[in-house]
Amino acid sequence: AQSVAQPEDQVNVAEGNPLTVKCTYSVSGNPYLFWYVQYPNRGLQFLLKYITGDNLVKGSYGFEAEFNKSQTSFHLKKPSALVSDSALYFCAVRPDTGGFKTIFGAGTRLFVKA
Amino acid sequence: EAQVTQNPRYLITVTGKKLTVTCSQNMNHEYMSWYRQDPGLGLRQIYYSMNVEVTDKGDVPEGYKVSRKEKRNFPLILESPSPNQTSLYFCASRPGTGAYEQYFGPGTRLTVT
Repeated sequence: AQSVAQPEDQVNVAEGNPLTVKCTYSVSGNPYLFWYVQYPNRGLQFLLKYITGDNLVKGSYGFEAEFNKSQTSFHLKKPSALVSDSALYFCAVRPDTGGFKTIFGAGTRLFVKA
Repeated sequence: EAQVTQNPRYLITVTGKKLTVTCSQNMNHEYMSWYRQDPGLGLRQIYYSMNVEVTDKGDVPEGYKVSRKEKRNFPLILESPSPNQTSLYFCASRPGTGAYEQYFGPGTRLTVT
């Protein structure tokens, strides 16, 4: 069965430190990979995506993500965390079969301490 | 402003009382979808639509209906709501095929007592 795993329910980092939010997936083929962020009482907002090409993709608000095909991972990173980055982060995977199904991970809550 | 709107934002209802949650997008997107968000489960796809009059089931369609009579609108219908449908619901849209990201509405928090 196709699935997306975010192994950490919560990640705690100090402001100014680098952060990583992990995502691994089990989807056949060459899926499209996405990260979304959800702030309290808001809908999800798109951060970045990987389609093909360079394994390091850059997105909004200084976030970037590293794609690793052999490990089927797509970890979200930021060199220097801000308190305002505290939010719920979702990894999402869409198979490249031309359909419209999207599989989301369970989400990881990021808490950045001042 | 390009956006996806949902109404109502909050709804408390009783078991068995039919309800509709509306969703509308102003971006001329072909694809629309409904998700429910539950703690520890992330977002699960309920139904999606590839275009007008074309819909298909997602992972958790039981107890829900949808229709797509106009490109901009994609209402979610609960004909006989039950307490296990208490959840946070999101509507989303995107242009169509290709590696496009989705645009999400603000969410509808539904409580069924």
